[in-house]
Amino acid sequence: DTGVSQDPRHKITKRGQNVTFRCDPISEHNRLYWYRQTLGQGPEFLTYFQNEAQLEKSRLLSDRFSAERPKGSFSTLEIQRTEQGDSAMYLCASSLGLDTGNEKLFFGSGTQLSVL
Amino acid sequence: QKEVEQDPGPLSVPEGAIVSLNCTYSNSAFQYFMWYRQYSRKGPELLMYTYSSGNKEDGRFTAQVDKSSKYISLFIRDSQPSDSATYLCAMSYGGATNKLIFGTGTLLAVQP
Repeated sequence: DTGVSQDPRHKITKRGQNVTFRCDPISEHNRLYWYRQTLGQGPEFLTYFQNEAQLEKSRLLSDRFSAERPKGSFSTLEIQRTEQGDSAMYLCASSLGLDTGNEKLFFGSGTQLSVL
Repeated sequence: QKEVEQDPGPLSVPEGAIVSLNCTYSNSAFQYFMWYRQYSRKGPELLMYTYSSGNKEDGRFTAQVDKSSKYISLFIRDSQPSDSATYLCAMSYGGATNKLIFGTGTLLAVQP
């Protein structure tokens, strides 16, 4: 499978618990993005990496959220002390990262988080 | 006011109909325009990618961009039940980040 892979597909957790999601991008892609999508809305940008460097973070990404891409390959998104408002689909996308501004983003199937 | 506006629908059409989906935007700095299709509980799938004003065709799909009116459209010809999904428009400023700004999505149902 050469697409973007996300794990787990679903996560149910209790408020206050920590959760971690993983994303494996398309192998030759240097850029990796995290988006969040709530019901009835389009995806919203959270953060992105160029190789291992995290270059931009949205104001949506509170201090409870942290993302890493340690070796420039897979990435993890951790949410600490989850709140009910964190319930959403967390989408990962990747692109070649040629820095031309003409990039096509390819998305994974997402991790659906439910905070009880 | 949102940067990108999209009618959420739902839109229901009979099989074989021509479907027209639209988005408007407020910032003339957007340079790249995309349409994604999203099936229930799946990630968005890139359908069309355009840069300049004008039309781009790919099979049954035609993407249209009118930068002067800040208006983009996606037309689906000979619609099929398998086209039933949410269609998201997305735009980017280009540049180093290339992050996408999405519309809310339009839910389309094609009735057999």
